[in-house]
Amino acid sequence: DIQMTQSPSSLSASVGDRVTITCRASQSISSYLNWYQQKPGKAPKLLIYATSSLQNGVPSRFSGSGSGTDFTLTISSLQPEDFATYSCQQSYRTPHSFGQGTKLEIK
Amino acid sequence: QLQLQESGPGLVKPSETLSLTCTVSGDSISSSSYYWGWIRQPPGKGLEWIGTIYYSGSTYYNPSLKSRVTISVDTSKNQFSLKLSSVTAADTAVYYCARQGSMGRGVIIRGPYDYWGQGTLVTVSS
Repeated sequence: DIQMTQSPSSLSASVGDRVTITCRASQSISSYLNWYQQKPGKAPKLLIYATSSLQNGVPSRFSGSGSGTDFTLTISSLQPEDFATYSCQQSYRTPHSFGQGTKLEIK
Repeated sequence: QLQLQESGPGLVKPSETLSLTCTVSGDSISSSSYYWGWIRQPPGKGLEWIGTIYYSGSTYYNPSLKSRVTISVDTSKNQFSLKLSSVTAADTAVYYCARQGSMGRGVIIRGPYDYWGQGTLVTVSS
């Protein structure tokens, strides 16, 4: 199975900050890396797929990059509605494993 | 507008079988463009992929659950279902159904989950 490791596990930041979350796969997953945002009591929402493609309706302040085993999610200027938990997922090989999540909190 | 809705008992006794159904509206589950999956999230923990099914019945399961999991599809009702046998307290979680698509990039099974149900909490307790 492919293990996905996110860092950090939690992060405090302020509105307007630039934030980067990292996801590392235990083996190469090509570009099959997806990012989800989840707010308390809600289902995950797809933000970015295939490493860097923005899902319809997602603001352009979200971006993704990477390849192989190392990937990043960047939020260029944090907005109040961005405080949530972010999870990466590899869809290269089943089982389609998720990272443990990064909780983004208001400083 | 595509919608997915999970349904089933919220409380299951240990050693019994958990059964959930996902009803899809706004699109046909028989579309050749998608897989339909189940993902769960124990309270306060991360997401765990359970498995996924194509309208033809082709399935992929998480090996950690494979001996206990069955995912099936009923195209006449536009539904797919999850059965998890011999449950324990460790199976207590919010269970989500979701659609998996290729997003125009080729192999569907390598696509992301772009639409999700709201989730349903299943508690395993006597």
